[in-house]
Amino acid sequence: TQLLEQSPQFLSIQEGENLTVYCNSSSVFSSLQWYRQEPGEGPVLLVTVVTGGEVKKLKRLTFQFGDARKDSSLHITAAQPGDTGLYLCAGEGLGSGNTGKLIFGQGTTLQVKP
Amino acid sequence: DVKVTQSSRYLVKRTGEKVFLECVQDMDHENMFWYRQDPGLGLRLIYFSYDVKMKEKGDIPEGYSVSREKKERFSLILESASTNQTSMYLCASSLVGGWNSPLHFGNGTRLTVT
Repeated sequence: TQLLEQSPQFLSIQEGENLTVYCNSSSVFSSLQWYRQEPGEGPVLLVTVVTGGEVKKLKRLTFQFGDARKDSSLHITAAQPGDTGLYLCAGEGLGSGNTGKLIFGQGTTLQVKP
Repeated sequence: DVKVTQSSRYLVKRTGEKVFLECVQDMDHENMFWYRQDPGLGLRLIYFSYDVKMKEKGDIPEGYSVSREKKERFSLILESASTNQTSMYLCASSLVGGWNSPLHFGNGTRLTVT
């Protein structure tokens, strides 16, 4: 069974600080997606990484896929209160075919205080 | 924009009741999914469907069934609700499988079983 371990589970920081969220597995994934979920809403896709070592940037957010495609990280620079939410990583297993089936990490709840 | 609509935001049911959760998507997506979300556990897949009348068990199908009679609609059925099924239920859809076909989520149904 493929698992994704996400850390930390909770993060409370002041506005302007930097932070990194990690998503780790012992298994290889075809691709990895990051979602953000705000209270009362469903998760919304932020980014998909596909190639080992790939780095993608979305404004102040930097996403990296590990060289071996077993892990990923999300780094936020100068966090703002609007970044508050639940961050979820989700991996597409090698054998998932065209099912679209994803394996989700436990999530990281981020609170950015003004 | 893809819209995934879940019929109820909140539901309160009694133990033993049969419960129907409805989900409709408006973008002709092939795949549809039902997840439950619990704190510290992330999203766990209950069932998914990759075509009309086709369904496959996810990681936690016990106590649930699904129905997909039309492409746009995917229903989750709790045959006899129990208190351990109190949770947030999220429906999602995707065009096809693969990294370039992300999940689009509804806003969730918070179910309480008393």
